This record gives sequence, structure tokens and C-alpha cells, in this order.
Amino acid sequence: QQQVKQSPQSLIVQKGGISIINCAYENTAFDYFPWYQQFPGKGPALLIAIRPDVSEKKEGRFTISFNKSAKQFSLHIMDSQPGDSATYFCAASIRAAGNKLTFGGGTRVLVKP
Amino acid sequence: EAEVAQSPRYKITEKSQAVAFWCDPISGHATLYWYRQILGQGPELLVQFQDESVVDDSQLPKDRFSAERLKGVDSTLKIQPAELGDSAMYLCASSRRQGDNEQFFGPGTRLTVL
Repeated sequence: QQQVKQSPQSLIVQKGGISIINCAYENTAFDYFPWYQQFPGKGPALLIAIRPDVSEKKEGRFTISFNKSAKQFSLHIMDSQPGDSATYFCAASIRAAGNKLTFGGGTRVLVKP
Repeated sequence: EAEVAQSPRYKITEKSQAVAFWCDPISGHATLYWYRQILGQGPELLVQFQDESVVDDSQLPKDRFSAERLKGVDSTLKIQPAELGDSAMYLCASSRRQGDNEQFFGPGTRLTVL
């Protein structure tokens, strides 16, 4: 049962462009929505996260948009750089249930110089 | 900067053999997680520890997988016997306490079963 669906599976963007990754979830009990960045051969690293009481959160070039009624959230990478080339995973968890992360399938982002 | 340590980084084994992975979480982190990441997919939780106690092992294939964290610090995940379908990256993560938002991941152990 895939509780968090992520799209697209891959995307290519030119340097300076905007990368947009979308996720949809099913379980309305989820109350924490992080995005992780993973480079080849490395473990995932927390990039940015949001709670459902906020519709948008921005940290530098990374922005999460959250739509509670649609059960969707997205990651926007502004002014994409070659160093942003990585796999991005959305996830969701329930804090009261031990914060077990349920991950999406991942999006491989390639930023061309 | 404190990191989650895992070893070995790579393991190749033959079907039906036993394998073991080790994880040392960030010092002071009470909660430890083992995830399995199949190539091209997101990580899936196998087992979660709070100190030395298992709090969630609902997705752990208990007929062949076992995990322990005897002293509430480092942890070992074992597979016996290994099957072809076990080929994956095994990731360990830790957080300061249960319910803490941020989980810190180690570099993983890449298992190949031949």
C-alpha cells in the first residue's frame, strides 16, 4: 500500500530554472511532511519540512507548498544549480506514532549547466 | 559534526548465507531506525528502537530478519538466510528521542545477494 505517491520519477532542468516535485498522501493522520535529499552512495539528508497548519515554508532556494484539503504537497527548487542534482524524497509521518517515516518513490533531478 | 556510522559499506553474499549489519547512532540519540531501500525506491522502515526496546517491527520479515540493540546504543541487523530479493541498501537512522522530527541517516550498507 503506497501511502505517499511522488511525481515525476525524474526531471531535467537547466541551471537557473525551477524544479517542481509533487507528492500526494492518503492518511489524514500524517502531521509532519519532510523532504530528503540523497546523493549517490549517501544516506538521505533532511532538506526542509512542514507541518499541516502552515501552507508554505521557504528556506533559501527551497520552498514547500502544502494543500491540506487536497492532501498534496510540493517542493520547489528555485534557481536550480548543478550541485542540486540528486534524488529527492518526500515523506510523511505521525509524531504520536513514533514519527515513522513513510517515503515517496523518489525523484531524480538533473540540473544541466 | 556527529554522524551515524554503519558497517560494512558494501556486502556481497550468496543466497542462503547469513549477513549482519552494524549501526552506531549519534551519541545520545535514544531512537534508532533500520530502513531498507530497494534501488529506485524510497526507504521502508524495518524496525524502530526506543533505547533497547523494539517499538515497531511490523514490517520486519521475522522468519529471516532479526535486530537487536542490547545496550540501547549500537545495533545489529541480521539476515539468515539471505535471499536474492534482499539485495538493497540498508539504512540506519537515529533521532534524539521518539517523536523527534529530524532523523539523521547513515551512509548505508549496500547488500548484493548472488
